[in-house]
Amino acid sequence: ETGVTQTPRHLVMGMTNKKSLKCEQHLGHNAMYWYKQSAKKPLELMFVYSLEERVENNSVPSRFSPECPNSSHLFLHLHTLQPEDSALYLCASSRDRGWEAFFGQGTRLTVV
Amino acid sequence: EDKVVQSPLSLVVHEGDTVTLNCSYEVTNFRSLLWYKQEKKAPTFLFMLTSSGIEKKSGRLSSILDKKELFSILNITATQTGDSAVYLCAVGGSNYQLIWGAGTKLIIKP
Repeated sequence: ETGVTQTPRHLVMGMTNKKSLKCEQHLGHNAMYWYKQSAKKPLELMFVYSLEERVENNSVPSRFSPECPNSSHLFLHLHTLQPEDSALYLCASSRDRGWEAFFGQGTRLTVV
Repeated sequence: EDKVVQSPLSLVVHEGDTVTLNCSYEVTNFRSLLWYKQEKKAPTFLFMLTSSGIEKKSGRLSSILDKKELFSILNITATQTGDSAVYLCAVGGSNYQLIWGAGTKLIIKP
């Protein structure tokens, strides 16, 4: 247990659905991240929040919408996804940007 | 463009063998290099290296950074089946971003 909790662990959704991924960290960290991990590809950084302010948005399609209501919680809202969005979505946190990140267990997302 | 390249992509050895995993990088404004182990889902942190030539060690795992030649190695001695995992290398550069390698898949056969 790393102190970063993600729910749900698995999610199957249709292309017209709207769903949200949730991440919670109990480490007192100031930075939180969303990563996408596809098979045989490097981790792709999607969003970075530092002190609840979004500081990075790496050309992610608008069908992915992050929300950080406080420094302990991070959401990823999903709508009208495509089958190629199927992947493992990992949340991470770190003391500050640039320090080692601690990862959650991830959400395995399948878009049908 | 910043990049991190890990080699080999996959490796199969027998229990008790010693393995060396490689990570080379070209990253602007290098800040740190990190090693992670990913068994099923969550990558778990192993080492962070910032200074050249100083070995970090934890049990049978050790790592060293060469900032002149722009690479790091991760050594695992007396491997066990529990060492089977994907080992990820990441380098921190400009804007505090982490640039990730594709990983080395290590399989330890009994």
